[in-house]
Amino acid sequence: GNSVTQMEGPVTLSEEAFLTINCTYTATGYPSLFWYVQYPGEGLQLLLKATKADDKGSNKGFEATYRKETTSFHLEKGSVQVSDSAVYFCALTPRAGNTPLVFGKGTRLSVIA
Amino acid sequence: SAVISQKPSRDICQRGTSLTIQCQVDSQVTMMFWYRQQPGQSLTLIATANQGSEATYESGFVIDKFPISRPNLTFSTLTVSNMSPEDSSIYLCSVEGGGGGLMNGYTFGSGTRLTVV
Repeated sequence: GNSVTQMEGPVTLSEEAFLTINCTYTATGYPSLFWYVQYPGEGLQLLLKATKADDKGSNKGFEATYRKETTSFHLEKGSVQVSDSAVYFCALTPRAGNTPLVFGKGTRLSVIA
Repeated sequence: SAVISQKPSRDICQRGTSLTIQCQVDSQVTMMFWYRQQPGQSLTLIATANQGSEATYESGFVIDKFPISRPNLTFSTLTVSNMSPEDSSIYLCSVEGGGGGLMNGYTFGSGTRLTVV
């Protein structure tokens, strides 16, 4: 079946530190991959996505590259800010459109000044 | 991308009662998805709602407990029936974000935070 394995949290970093949150997946075919973010007290927002192998998704300084050979979609940011404190979810959908997302367990990030 | 209005945003309910959650989308969508997020946990798919047919439920979720209506292409409701404290969670609806080819990913409602006492 389809599944997402995500780095366990919580993760605590100092401001301006480098962030990596690991995500690997199991899926049949060619899934689309996503990172969603949930800020404290808010809803779920799309952070970035990639729909085919070697695509790089990027937004707000965050990046993730769709690596089919390693079935991974690791989230990175070069310099985190306090405002990046949130829960980050890696997710996939097994094909394009009209199929639900499968989520990883989520990683809570706390950035301290 | 699609915009979803979900309500209520939160509620505190007595055990044994039922709560109906509504999601209104600003565009027509084929599928709507309902998720549950238990405290400190990830999102678990409850069911997929397709207009004009019965919802498809995931393992562990049944229609008698979580009846879903989908009367048209812009609206759906999820009812949490005969509630117990274990049903305390955030419930979210979701649709494909529009734009074609997952251009906008999936859009989520703001969630309904349910507490059962």
